[in-house]
Amino acid sequence: GEDVEQSLFLSVREGDSSVINCTYTDSSSTYLYWYKQEPGAGLQLLTYIFSNMDMKQDQRLTVLLNKKDKHLSLRIADTQTGDSAIYFCAETSSNTGRRALTFGSGTRLQVQP
Amino acid sequence: ETGVTQTPRHLVMGMTNKKSLKCEQHLGHNAMYWYKQSAKKPLELMFVYSLEERVENNSVPSRFSPECPNSSHLFLHLHTLQPEDSALYLCASSQDFEAAYEQYFGPGTRLTVT
Repeated sequence: GEDVEQSLFLSVREGDSSVINCTYTDSSSTYLYWYKQEPGAGLQLLTYIFSNMDMKQDQRLTVLLNKKDKHLSLRIADTQTGDSAIYFCAETSSNTGRRALTFGSGTRLQVQP
Repeated sequence: ETGVTQTPRHLVMGMTNKKSLKCEQHLGHNAMYWYKQSAKKPLELMFVYSLEERVENNSVPSRFSPECPNSSHLFLHLHTLQPEDSALYLCASSQDFEAAYEQYFGPGTRLTVT
C-alpha cells in the first residue's frame, strides 16, 4: 500500500534554516501537502504542491519535489521559536480513486533560542 | 481558528461507557472526515462522509460508529472501547471529496479509555 516516511526529530537554532524531508512510495501521487500541528491543536495546512511542479515558494516556506526520487522537502527560512511543532507530510492521488490523504508519522521540529 | 470545531476537547471514559464525539464545520463544505492520531502510528483515516453519505470506512472496529445527520455535523459514537483506543481523534472537512480540495482540521478530542 501507500507509504509516507519522515524523520522523527529535527533541532535547529533560531534564525537558521530548517529542512524537513519526506519520502513517499506511490508513483501516482498527485498532490503533496505539508501540515503543521502545534501542541494541543489540530493540523494546519501550511502549503501544498502539485506533482507537475518542482518547487513552490510561499514567504518563508519553500517546497521542493523530486518526483523521480519520490522525495519532498519543506524548507523554513529564518526559523523562529513559534515554528516549533510537528510537521506532517501527506499525499493523495486523483488517479487511482484513492482520494483520502496518507500521512507520514510527523517530524518534530525544535527551535532553540 | 479553522472553522471546524470539536467537542469535547478531552474525554475520559471507562470501557463499558457509551459516549459521542461531535464535530461541526462552519465552512459550507460537503465532505467530512474522522482521523485517529495515536502516539505510535501515523495519522489514520477512519471514515469519510461526502454529502452525508459514508464513502470510506477503513476497517474500523464496530465499536466506533459514525453518524452524519447533515453536511455540517459529524458524530463518532463510542461503545465498549479498549485502552488501545486512547488517542487524539481529529475531524476534518473539505469542499468536496476530491484530492484537489484542502482539508481543514479541528483541534481534536483527546480520548483516554481507562
